[in-house]
Amino acid sequence: AQKITQTQPGMFVQEKEAVTLDCTYDTSDPSYGLFWYKQPSSGEMIFLIYQGSYDQQNATEGRYSLNFQKARKSANLVISASQLGDSAMYFCAMRPAYSGAGSYQLTFGKGTKLSVIP
Amino acid sequence: DTAVSQTPKYLVTQMGNDKSIKCEQNLGHDTMYWYKQDSKKFLKIMFSYNNKELIINETVPNRFSPKSPDKAHLNLHINSLELGDSAVYFCASSQVSRGYEQYFGPGTRLTVT
Repeated sequence: AQKITQTQPGMFVQEKEAVTLDCTYDTSDPSYGLFWYKQPSSGEMIFLIYQGSYDQQNATEGRYSLNFQKARKSANLVISASQLGDSAMYFCAMRPAYSGAGSYQLTFGKGTKLSVIP
Repeated sequence: DTAVSQTPKYLVTQMGNDKSIKCEQNLGHDTMYWYKQDSKKFLKIMFSYNNKELIINETVPNRFSPKSPDKAHLNLHINSLELGDSAVYFCASSQVSRGYEQYFGPGTRLTVT
């Protein structure tokens, strides 16, 4: 079974500062994928970034980077130069190893509510 | 162009009623999913379909019945609605050959009174 833990229910960050959202995971799969999604108050789920367990480099997408530490089973999201529009819920998620069945359901953490202060 | 669409966006109904939520994706993906987000914002997989075949059926009451008429559609029918069914239901789709990203629909907020 896979498990995602996000220990920060809420975070505050000053506008233009960087912020790190924590995520640790547990799995027995030899390969897996890690995701971060953003859910603003409007409710939609927005994909931010993906890291494969065998990827050699940490993933980056614009102002988002994923600090992947495999030995520690952590996949923290770093948002640089925070903007007011970054205020939202952030979910860390994991998909299982390739099974041939074609289904890669995500297991989610409980989320972190980020508030950006002007 | 909407990638994953759901209808309706809001659904208010009384206990005991039967309702359906429709989902369509125009991405050409072969796997579709239903997730439930509860009042505490926790998201959990309910069902997964690959090429119209049920792959995953988590511990969901059998009042919930998914139906996939074709690869682009995955509908969710709920019988005898209960107060505890109130939640936001998200449809999503993915395709391995195009990466593992799952694209989510806008969600359907179901309120049972």
